[in-house]
Amino acid sequence: DADVTQTPRNRITKTGKRIMLECSQTKGHDRMYWYRQDPGLGLRLIYYSFDVKDINKGEISDGYSVSRQAQAKFSLSLESAIPNQTALYFCATSRRGAGRDNEQFFGPGTRLTVL
Amino acid sequence: GQNIDQPTEMTATEGAIVQINCTYQTSGFNGLFWYQQHAGEAPTFLSYNVLDGLEEKGRFSSFLSRSKGYSYLLLKELQMKDSASYLCAVRVTDKLIFGTGTRLQVFP
Repeated sequence: DADVTQTPRNRITKTGKRIMLECSQTKGHDRMYWYRQDPGLGLRLIYYSFDVKDINKGEISDGYSVSRQAQAKFSLSLESAIPNQTALYFCATSRRGAGRDNEQFFGPGTRLTVL
Repeated sequence: GQNIDQPTEMTATEGAIVQINCTYQTSGFNGLFWYQQHAGEAPTFLSYNVLDGLEEKGRFSSFLSRSKGYSYLLLKELQMKDSASYLCAVRVTDKLIFGTGTRLQVFP
């Protein structure tokens, strides 16, 4: 089955450490997204990419960076992790196009804890 | 700014009907999505509305009024497995703006 995968699924790290979260997809979608989810705050967009050469900041990009290594791969980095970056992180993909084509398909999530 | 409002929590009884409301004030509108999310899992697509009116799919229906900035998700014949969070998301240009979600608990 065409899918969206994320690694690692769980990660505990310490303040100041660099960490990378990876996302891969076999759906053949052009567009990829990174969100974080915090209790009571919903899903918030960190970065998004509409193709390999296109990277855009979302609502809450400070403290994060991304790399689109290929159509199928989109990585999120925390250069120097801090405790308020503790959250559930989701990668998502969508097709190019209008209407229902903008449905986003989510990976299983990465639970990140920064001590 | 972008604002999407949903109730934080709702409870209902197995077999009943529940309506989850979503109001939005956004800088644009290109459609509205509803997603279901079980605790600790990924959101999954439920419905999509871009024109005014009701979209029905099995036990789930979704309604949209663009002039009122309003949508609802209607769940019929509730089952225990419907206990989850329901996320309203508005498409603005090429991005989705999510509400904070409504946590629904279904009791026997």
